[in-house]
Amino acid sequence: DTAVSQTPKYLVTQMGNDKSIKCEQNLGHDTMYWYKQDSKKFLKIMFSYNNKELIINETVPNRFSPKSPDKAHLNLHINSLELGDSAVYFCASSPLSLAGDVETQYFGPGTRLLVL
Amino acid sequence: GQNIDQPTEMTATEGAIVQINCTYQTSGFNGLFWYQQHAGEAPTFLSYNVLDGLEEKGRFSSFLSRSKGYSYLLLKELQMKDSASYLCAVVDSNYQLIWGAGTKLIIKP
Repeated sequence: DTAVSQTPKYLVTQMGNDKSIKCEQNLGHDTMYWYKQDSKKFLKIMFSYNNKELIINETVPNRFSPKSPDKAHLNLHINSLELGDSAVYFCASSPLSLAGDVETQYFGPGTRLLVL
Repeated sequence: GQNIDQPTEMTATEGAIVQINCTYQTSGFNGLFWYQQHAGEAPTFLSYNVLDGLEEKGRFSSFLSRSKGYSYLLLKELQMKDSASYLCAVVDSNYQLIWGAGTKLIIKP
């Protein structure tokens, strides 16, 4: 029944490692997002994909690479993890978003990443 | 730059009413969202306003004044389960969501 799911929920790893976070949505939405929420609770958009195509790529280090094998999945791969990458990463999805349309975003449960 | 301001924290009593304010300065405006986020959980949608005025949805109401760059979320008959962070987010001229840092609401018995 889960609408937007992420795995893993918790991720503890060493600096310098490479890790991936997976996201899947079963809502039939066309647009998916990755957000980073830091300790100050700001939600910052990282990437947005519409039908497997990148439409938003904020100023994010190129160590972060999103991959969308199909419109129901948007995975986030992080290379050479740094201490500052520790945060909660949320995946979200929304119905088809065209210019002039505003759609509600539905969030996954989050992945708590701790880099030691 | 783009800016969303909300109080960092508020405290209220169970059964009372609380108003959480949000002011914004963005490049364009295509609506304002309120989301609720319980500790350790994902944000969940509460309301969306694009026209001026008050929209009521059960115990929660949201108000918007575009000329003042101002919105508030009104919570009535507060319950302990309303303890959460409340996030204000504005849709800018590029249809991107600009998020506030959220207001942590603490409900006391």
